[in-house]
Amino acid sequence: QITLKESGPTLVKPTQTLTLTCTFSGFSLNTGGVGVGWIRQPPGKALEWLAVIFWDDDKRYSPSLKTRLTITQDTSRDLVVLTMTNMDPVDTATYYCAHATLRGYDSSYSFDYWGQGTLVIVSS
Amino acid sequence: DIQMTQSPSSLSASVGDRVTITCRASEGIATWLAWYQQKPGKAPKLLIYSASSLQSGVPSRFSGTGSGTDFTLTISSLQPEDFAIYYCQQTYSFTFGGGTRVEIK
Repeated sequence: QITLKESGPTLVKPTQTLTLTCTFSGFSLNTGGVGVGWIRQPPGKALEWLAVIFWDDDKRYSPSLKTRLTITQDTSRDLVVLTMTNMDPVDTATYYCAHATLRGYDSSYSFDYWGQGTLVIVSS
Repeated sequence: DIQMTQSPSSLSASVGDRVTITCRASEGIATWLAWYQQKPGKAPKLLIYSASSLQSGVPSRFSGTGSGTDFTLTISSLQPEDFAIYYCQQTYSFTFGGGTRVEIK
């Protein structure tokens, strides 16, 4: 059974760095064809993909946020960490982590298991 | 960046209706497309991957078609539990569409 859970601060001040942790179980990031991604959703708005890290330590970032994001994995502890620098009130959102699986006849990744999300508010 | 445009942004339908949602990519993405359903206060749920493959456990009334730049999600007979927001996502560089809200008529 695959589960993921996000953790981190609920409130951060503008210009601070946000650090979010995704703790997972039921799979290993050492397994081929697996990844963990981060997606956020401002209140009442659409989903926005942020970053993903794959089993081979390949990392991809949203082009619009690339300079502010870092994604890392700790395979010994089954967790993935996302840091986002220079936080702004527009970064207020629910942040989700999700399990990505490589499959299909076109060998593409999709996010098939999601955490419950964690709300991050950016305010002074 | 590959941009994803969904239409309509919202629609009203009745139980039993056939519903079609469209997603267009700004450049060709072959079949690298997924569809998700999101209900209020919940995480998204994967419905379709590789444009037309049904995720395990998802009812067969959901189907996806398309390749290249134009894709559709169809719900063949809308059920009460299907009222939600639907998102497409291109799975080449992972951009989401803006979402389509399906409301009760």
